[in-house]
Amino acid sequence: AQKVTQAQTEISVVEKEDVTLDCVYETRDTTYYLFWYKQPPSGELVFLIRRNSFDEQNEISGRYSWNFQKSTSSFNFTITASQVVDSAVYFCALFYYGNNRLAFGKGNQVVVIP
Amino acid sequence: GAGVSQSPRYKVAKRGQDVALRCDPISGHVSLFWYQQALGQGPEFLTYFQNEAQLDKSGLPSDRFFAERPEGSVSTLKIQRTQQEDSAVYLCASSLGTSGRDADTQYFGPGTRLTVL
Repeated sequence: AQKVTQAQTEISVVEKEDVTLDCVYETRDTTYYLFWYKQPPSGELVFLIRRNSFDEQNEISGRYSWNFQKSTSSFNFTITASQVVDSAVYFCALFYYGNNRLAFGKGNQVVVIP
Repeated sequence: GAGVSQSPRYKVAKRGQDVALRCDPISGHVSLFWYQQALGQGPEFLTYFQNEAQLDKSGLPSDRFFAERPEGSVSTLKIQRTQQEDSAVYLCASSLGTSGRDADTQYFGPGTRLTVL
């Protein structure tokens, strides 16, 4: 079965600090996709980043960066120089063919204090 | 272009009433998904369409839940004889569903918050 674990529930940071969210996943498939979504108070899930299992290169996109470690089944996400607008719930999710669904973790509530 | 839209945004129903939730996916997206999100939890899969075909409905919690997408675009999730445990946010997502690097990225609508009294 597919499983996504996000250990921390709520994380508070002071504005301009960096915040890293941990995600550990379980899957028996060799080809899969990992995602991070943001859910602000308005409720809509906003797609942030996607990583394919066969591409372990870590990247940076603006203030977002991610660290994909296939050997430890981890897909961590970092927001650099946090802003108040980053306050939201962040979900890690796993997708693979044959299941055709996203399996989500429980989410991390990020609170950025001005 | 426009994103995924859902209506109504909020729905209050008395226990036992039937409700219908609508999803309008991104134009041209082949795949459509419904998820249920309980308070404080991550979304849970309900059902999946490819065009008008419902290929997976294994996540529907009971036979009171029914979804359709008759013309391969707009989808409706219907809940009959609502119960209090049906109270949740219902999220719809769509994806291109064709080959290509980002074909399977799912884009979500704002959700419908259902409260059953």
